[in-house]
Amino acid sequence: SYELTQPPSVSVSPGQPARITCSGDALPKQYAFWYQRKPGQAPVLIIYKDDERPSGIPERFSGSSSGTTVTLTISGVEAEDEADYYCQSSDSSGTYYVFGAGTRVSVL
Amino acid sequence: QLQLQESGPGLVKPSETLSLTCTVSGDSISSSHYYWAWIRQPPGKGLEWMGSIYYSGNTYYNPSVNSRITISIDMSKNQFSLKLTSVTAADTAVYSCVAFGEITGGIDHWGQGRLVTASS
Repeated sequence: SYELTQPPSVSVSPGQPARITCSGDALPKQYAFWYQRKPGQAPVLIIYKDDERPSGIPERFSGSSSGTTVTLTISGVEAEDEADYYCQSSDSSGTYYVFGAGTRVSVL
Repeated sequence: QLQLQESGPGLVKPSETLSLTCTVSGDSISSSHYYWAWIRQPPGKGLEWMGSIYYSGNTYYNPSVNSRITISIDMSKNQFSLKLTSVTAADTAVYSCVAFGEITGGIDHWGQGRLVTASS
C-alpha cells in the first residue's frame, strides 16, 4: 500500500524556521496537503495543492515541492505553532487518499 | 458556514457492525462544492482515510477496509453514513466525518469526531 513518510518530531526555538518533509513516490504526480492539529481540536488545512495557503492562515506557513518530497516550512516559529502536522496526498491513480504518520513540532 | 456532526453508538461489540451518521448543515449534501468522507484516528496513532462518497453516489474505499465498509448518502436528510462490519479492537478510534472542498481539494471542514470503542 502507498505510504507517505514524515519525521516523527521536529524541535525548534521560537523565531527560527521549522521544516517538515513528507516523501512519497506519487508526489510528483499528485498534490500534497498539510493539516495542523492541536490537542482536542479538529485538524485545520494550512496548505493545499502543494503550496497554496487558505485564507486566514498566517503567511509564515508555506509549502514547496521537489520530486518525491514536499516540505512544509514555518518561517518563524511561534509558541502557538506547537502541534502535530500531517501531510496528505493520493496514490498515483488519484483514487485513494493517504496521510503521513504526522510530525510533532515542539517549540523549545 | 458548513458544519458536520457525527452521531451513533460509542461502544460496539467485536464481530458486530459499527454504524455512524454525519449530519451536514449550512449547505446541501448534493452540492457540487464538496465531497464527503470518513477519517479515523486510533488512540496514539495517525489519521486514516476510510472512504469517500460523491454527490453522484460514487464511492471509493481504503483497500485496508474495502471488504467491510459501506458509505451511503441520504439526500432527504442531508446526511451520509458509515457502516463497518466485523469490527475488532483494532477498529477502536475517533471517527470523523469530513468535507473535501471543490476549490482546495483538501479537507475544508471536519466534524468534532466520535470515539467508538470496540469491546465486549
